[in-house]
Amino acid sequence: GAGVSQSPSNKVTEKGKDVELRCDPISGHTALYWYRQSLGQGLEFLIYFQGNSAPDKSGLPSDRFSAERTGGSVSTLTIQRTQQEDSAVYLCASRITGTTYNEQFFGPGTRLTVL
Amino acid sequence: DAKTTQPNSMESNEEEPVHLPCNHSTISGTDYIHWYRQLPSQGPEYVIHGLTSNVNNRMASLAIAEDRKSSTLILHRATLRDAAVYYCILRSGAGGTSYGKLTFGQGTILTVHP
Repeated sequence: GAGVSQSPSNKVTEKGKDVELRCDPISGHTALYWYRQSLGQGLEFLIYFQGNSAPDKSGLPSDRFSAERTGGSVSTLTIQRTQQEDSAVYLCASRITGTTYNEQFFGPGTRLTVL
Repeated sequence: DAKTTQPNSMESNEEEPVHLPCNHSTISGTDYIHWYRQLPSQGPEYVIHGLTSNVNNRMASLAIAEDRKSSTLILHRATLRDAAVYYCILRSGAGGTSYGKLTFGQGTILTVHP
């Protein structure tokens, strides 16, 4: 079956522009997570969705970052007025909830480069 | 979140067993021990997880110390495809709004030599 998909795979933008990153989770996975991985850094949690609501936004680094999820499926991470320090790989993961088996399935990521 | 400590890097030869250690001395009774790995230019992938007992699956084995303050991921026969960063993560099983969130450390870079 299809895994988690993300688009675009690569995005190059100029400083100050807005970008939207998309995540298509595995069908039926109610939990969705965004992480980012900066060069030489570990993975950093950004936001968690349960259905369409986001009970944990604690990892969003500034108010330039926002995310939404619609229909309990697709999620979009939006970065406004991008800065060079936003350059990173943005990873999405999804997970079934309501069971004791809690494996997260990660997508391939979107590599964002801010010039 | 309770913290884990892993060696920065390890090396192995192909077809030999690999033992990747992880220390988690502040683990709580409801914390699950998860291992993920990240191959070059890919997102992380789940390897194995456990709570108290040793666990085996098709990818690896997880040996958990009796006091749960440490664990070891065992790859029985390393292949070149096993070269990756291996992350040992404690995930709370206590529920709450962040249930399932993973906190990644720096992990162990595993190099496998032909």
